[in-house]
Amino acid sequence: EAQVTQNPRYLITVTGKKLTVTCSQNMNHEYMSWYRQDPGLGLRQIYYSMNVEVTDKGDVPEGYKVSRKEKRNFPLILESPSPNQTSLYFCASSLSAGGYGYTFGSGTRLTVV
Amino acid sequence: QKEVEQNSGPLSVPEGAIASLNCTYSDRGSQSFFWYRQYSGKSPELIMFIYSNGDKEDGRFTAQLNKASQYVSLLIRDSQPSDSATYLCAVIGGGADGLTFGKGTHLIIQP
Repeated sequence: EAQVTQNPRYLITVTGKKLTVTCSQNMNHEYMSWYRQDPGLGLRQIYYSMNVEVTDKGDVPEGYKVSRKEKRNFPLILESPSPNQTSLYFCASSLSAGGYGYTFGSGTRLTVV
Repeated sequence: QKEVEQNSGPLSVPEGAIASLNCTYSDRGSQSFFWYRQYSGKSPELIMFIYSNGDKEDGRFTAQLNKASQYVSLLIRDSQPSDSATYLCAVIGGGADGLTFGKGTHLIIQP
């Protein structure tokens, strides 16, 4: 089944404790992206990747890192999480940046206390 | 910065009626337009996309695009309670940064 898999689905952590949210897709998509969704603010892009080893900042990259060492994986790293990073996170992938709809993962609900 | 504007709602529509959802966008270079449906706590699900001016129909859904007015709409005919969700409008420009989303319209179909 074609899908984007995110883990974990739920995570509660403490301020400053490094964490990684994994994202993997099995559709051989070149383009991958991370979004966060907050009430009243909608979906905002954090980082995106055009292909392996090619990443760039989205609208809200502060406090996040990403890597794209393999085509299928695009982990999101929070090196020192803070409470304002409490949010619902979505990974998405697509054949390319433009012209195609995105397939979204199931989401990761992160709480930083 | 590209902006996509939607009325947040809630938009309340009786069952069986037509629901009309609207979206405007700021970037005249936007090329592709998408409508996603999102149930509470779930991931967005693509329901329609449109690239050219005019109407595009898929089952009960019709997307309408007017590039001159920078306006996209989604019509849902014969609305069902299961259509109750938040509908997200999204656009792609000519760059590599991908989809820019509106904040969504909360649609309620009243039985």
